[in-house]
Parts: sequence; C-alpha cells; structure tokens
Amino acid sequence: NAGVTQTPKFQVLKTGQSMTLQCAQDMNHNSMYWYRQDPGMGLRLIYYSASEGTTDKGEVPNGYNVSRLNKREFSLRLESAAPSQTSVYFCASSEIWTQDLYGYTFGSGTRLTVV
Amino acid sequence: DQQVKQNSPSLSVQEGRISILNCDYTNSMFDYFLWYKKYPAEGPTFLISISSIKDKNEDGRFTVFLNKSAKHLSLHIVPSQPGDSAVYFCAASVYTNSGYALNFGKGTSLLVTP
Repeated sequence: NAGVTQTPKFQVLKTGQSMTLQCAQDMNHNSMYWYRQDPGMGLRLIYYSASEGTTDKGEVPNGYNVSRLNKREFSLRLESAAPSQTSVYFCASSEIWTQDLYGYTFGSGTRLTVV
Repeated sequence: DQQVKQNSPSLSVQEGRISILNCDYTNSMFDYFLWYKKYPAEGPTFLISISSIKDKNEDGRFTVFLNKSAKHLSLHIVPSQPGDSAVYFCAASVYTNSGYALNFGKGTSLLVTP
C-alpha cells in the first residue's frame, strides 16, 4: 500500500552540483508528474510522462531533465543546481485515460536546498 | 494563464465555525473538480470531489458546491477543527488528446484557532 514513493526526503546541494530525485509508484498508473511547490506559487508542473516512453515539458521545465525508466519509475535530474531551484518537489501519478475519482496520488515530497 | 484561481491565500477561522474556501475557474470544458488537503512536510491528499453535472457533494463535515454559471466552486467545512489547519488546493480536470489532466489553483492556507 505504498502508493508513490520519493527519495530522498531531504537534500542540500551546492550551486553547480547535480543530483537525481527518484520516484516510484506501485498503482500501475500510466501517467507520472513532477511538481515543485514554492510559497505563494502553488503547485507548478515541471515535467510529465503521459505513458511509458514519453515525456513532455510542463510549466517550468528549465534546468531540469526527466527519465521515464519504466512504467513504475520517473526520475527528475538537476544537472547544475541553482539557488532558484530550492523548493519542495512532489511526484504524482494517475490514470489518465479514465476519470479517476481521486485525481492524482502524490508522494510525500523532497525538500531541496541549494546553497 | 491560470485557469483555476484561489484568490484568498489565507483564511483564519475559529474552531466550531464554518470555513468557506473559494475557487474560480475559466475553462468551461472542465468536467470534474477536486479539493486536496496538504499538511506541512506531506504530499497533497485527496479530500472531496464533484462532477460538473452536480451542484453539491457532501462527505461528513465537508461539502463542495459548484455554480457552473458563475464558474465558481466552494468548499465548506462545518464545524471547523484545529486539525483542519492545512493548505487546500482546488483542482479541475479536463480531457485532452493526452488524456485527463488536472489544473491546480495556488492554494489557500486555512488556520483554525481554538
């Protein structure tokens, strides 16, 4: 009954360092998403993957790359971290081809600080 | 362009009173609306939803009202409890060529004081 699992939960990076945020879901959902949440900005979509093998940019994709490794896993990579990428990152999954009564299932988030 | 708007960033209510959180939308193609609740250090979790063919849905202390002509929905919490203190996100669903997609508002932070 894990749902969506994100790792790590916390991370501190120095400017210019790279890292990958991991996300896995066990609900057999086709679609997966990466959001960032900043004060006053709500949830902003970074990238999404409608189905295995496809990825698309969201509202704020600059500075990020993604990989849909398989149906379960969707990773987010910061190649050269910047202080503006300090945020809380949420991964979510859903079944896009049916009207899911619950919408998206979210992970518990990764709090990233770039110094 | 923000299609789902929550114009009140914060709301403070006394315990036992009614909390009313509002949400406006611009896209008449939205066919399903959801409310999510988010506690600090946790991901958003589903709270309640409503289909566009209905005008009210109730679940315990939570009721969502939909006014399609005004493109407005609201979440009522009665009675409010301190444990309801959280950020509430309004979301709307629309079917696209890539399947169903959710649009989120920016959230309203609710504080219920004892």
